[in-house]
Amino acid sequence: EAGVAQSPRYKIIEKRQSVAFWCNPISGHATLYWYQQILGQGPKLLIQFQNNGVVDDSQLPKDRFSAERLKGVDSTLKIQPAKLEDSAVYLCASSLIPRRTGAYEQYFGPGTRLTVT
Amino acid sequence: AQKITQTQPGMFVQEKEAVTLDCTYDTSDQSYGLFWYKQPSSGEMIFLIYQGSYDEQNATEGRYSLNFQKARKSANLVISASQLGDSAMYFCAMRERYSGGGADGLTFGKGTHLIIQP
Repeated sequence: EAGVAQSPRYKIIEKRQSVAFWCNPISGHATLYWYQQILGQGPKLLIQFQNNGVVDDSQLPKDRFSAERLKGVDSTLKIQPAKLEDSAVYLCASSLIPRRTGAYEQYFGPGTRLTVT
Repeated sequence: AQKITQTQPGMFVQEKEAVTLDCTYDTSDQSYGLFWYKQPSSGEMIFLIYQGSYDEQNATEGRYSLNFQKARKSANLVISASQLGDSAMYFCAMRERYSGGGADGLTFGKGTHLIIQP
C-alpha cells in the first residue's frame, strides 16, 4: 500500500514570496490533515478536511495560509506572503473517516521542509 | 495550559535496557485517545501505539507498551530491550472527544529525544 505522498521535500524562499505544497493521501482515506512542525516542537494541526469539506481550520492563519482539497483526494496548502516564522516542516496526514470508538491512526507523509530567508 | 506534557527533553539509554518515556495529559473529556509516534532523523512520523480512554487493558505492540494511569492522567511509553534503531524523537499525542462534527486532529507534546548508546 502506497503511503502519503508530499512534494516538494524541500523549499527555500524569501520572505513575502508565496509557496505551495502538495499532498496525496493514502487511497481510500477520506480525512486529510495538514500540520506545521516548527523545529524543536511537536506538530500543530493547521487544517482538517473530510472529503471535500473543511472540518477544522481554527488554527490556520487565514490571512496568509489557504488550503483546498479538490475532488476529495489531493490537497494543496499555500502560504502568501511568507514570513520568517513560517519556516517549519509541513506534514500531511490521512486517516479513515473518524468513528466514535476504536483506534484509527493518522498516517503521515515525509513532510516538506520550508525555509524562509 | 499544556494539553500534553513531556518532561524529558532528552534521554540517553544503554542498548538492551528498558526505557520509559513520560507523558501527562490534560482533558476534561471522558472519551479520548492517546497515541505515541516515533520521528527518526529522516522526518517521517511513525505510529507506535494507541490507548483509548475506556480501554481497561494497557496497550501493547511488540516491544512497545503503554502504561496508562487514568486517574493520574499519564500515558507513559515503555520500550523493552532497546535497540540502536530506537534512537529518535518520540511524541505523545491526544485526540479528544469525537464531537460528531468530525474534528479529531491530534494535539502533540514537545517530544523526547531518545538516544540509545551501544
